[in-house]
Amino acid sequence: DGGITQSPKYLFRKEGQNVTLSCEQNLNHDAMYWYRQDPGQGLRLIYYSQIVNDFQKGDIAEGYSVSREKKESFPLTVTSAQKNPTAFYLCASSQLGQTYEQYFGPGTRLTVT
Amino acid sequence: QQQVKQSPQSLIVQKGGISIINCAYENTAFDYFPWYQQFPGKGPALLIAIRPDVSEKKEGRFTISFNKSAKQFSLHIMDSQPGDSATYFCAARGTLVSSNTGKLIFGQGTTLQVKP
Repeated sequence: DGGITQSPKYLFRKEGQNVTLSCEQNLNHDAMYWYRQDPGQGLRLIYYSQIVNDFQKGDIAEGYSVSREKKESFPLTVTSAQKNPTAFYLCASSQLGQTYEQYFGPGTRLTVT
Repeated sequence: QQQVKQSPQSLIVQKGGISIINCAYENTAFDYFPWYQQFPGKGPALLIAIRPDVSEKKEGRFTISFNKSAKQFSLHIMDSQPGDSATYFCAARGTLVSSNTGKLIFGQGTTLQVKP
């Protein structure tokens, strides 16, 4: 059953703690992405990666970090430097030549109090 | 700077009616214009996409109309059904020579409710 897995679905953390969100895909896609979704603001790109061991900042990378050690995995760390971390986080992947067609995971809702 | 503006923010349509969502972009360096559909608690899924050299694309009840000179494109859902109730996002993909190479720029989203 091919697709993108994000875990956990809900995550709660105390302010000041770093937290890592998991994203795994078995679609054999080269490109992977992290988006943040807030009400009324659409999807905003945090980081993206087109190849293993390489990634680029998106529009709102401050306070986040990523790694791409394996093709199928692209974890996102929300650091304590992120001022407003509470949000719905979406991971996606695509083939390099078809980046307009991105496959999304089910998302992780992070709440920081 | 928001490069893709979407309207309306929310839309209520009666079953069987036509739902219309509009988007406008500010950058000519886009080469694909997809629409995504998102149900509550789920990730978005590609619904339909169009290239700028085509003025209209239809897939079932869903049609994209594209106006290159006006830098606008819209999604029409014919014979809208309660199962179409979801959030819809338009997007634009940056071309290889733009600062947004391969990236999707999303609109703010439209929440559609189709009443039975």
